[in-house]
Amino acid sequence: GEDVEQSLFLSVREGDSSVINCTYTDSSSTYLYWYKQEPGAGLQLLTYIFSNMDMKQDQRLTVLLNKKDKHLSLRIADTQTGDSAIYFCAEILGGSYIPTFGRGTSLIVHP
Amino acid sequence: NAGVMQNPRHLVRRRGQEARLRCSPMKGHSHVYWYRQLPEEGLKFMVYLQKENIIDESGMPKERFSAEFPKEGPSILRIQQVVRGDSAAYFCASSPDISYNSPLHFGNGTRLTVT
Repeated sequence: GEDVEQSLFLSVREGDSSVINCTYTDSSSTYLYWYKQEPGAGLQLLTYIFSNMDMKQDQRLTVLLNKKDKHLSLRIADTQTGDSAIYFCAEILGGSYIPTFGRGTSLIVHP
Repeated sequence: NAGVMQNPRHLVRRRGQEARLRCSPMKGHSHVYWYRQLPEEGLKFMVYLQKENIIDESGMPKERFSAEFPKEGPSILRIQQVVRGDSAAYFCASSPDISYNSPLHFGNGTRLTVT
């Protein structure tokens, strides 16, 4: 496909792990990003991964990259109600410096 | 260090009026990007500017939309003769330079409603 693809919704119970998936478009993308958008706010950079890495861990966040399948995932351990937000995957296409965003995944955390 | 500042937060315009959206980048950032978020859609790139220059406007509609980033003052996104389809959230982002490891910093957006 031509767009960065994400599922639209994910619902988890507080304390469980959340896994948000993304399929990107360009195998030559060098950096891939995860942004978080809380209601009424702008996007906040959560983490990013360079394309020569398979995994990056940052506290409760784990990013996995499968270059062969052009698949990126974000795992949030011990999900809290404060993690409820929209999560955007973004790539920078080869030859560009401007991020292309997916439609975002709404994460709903319930008690 | 203040973040990216956008104003107004909310803007209501009647069809046919003009909308002017302002963005002050983070201190030390000279690169500005505008994105539009339509209901139920992701962020769509509109335009990328450096001081006094439009670098990439491949996402800008050909008519009614314009952007500037003057030597002094904020970046302005201008929409002339607004229509209902222009109703969206408009986000500005900035970065200190253009490289893969200089992620964008976003403002809180301007929500434009056209009545």
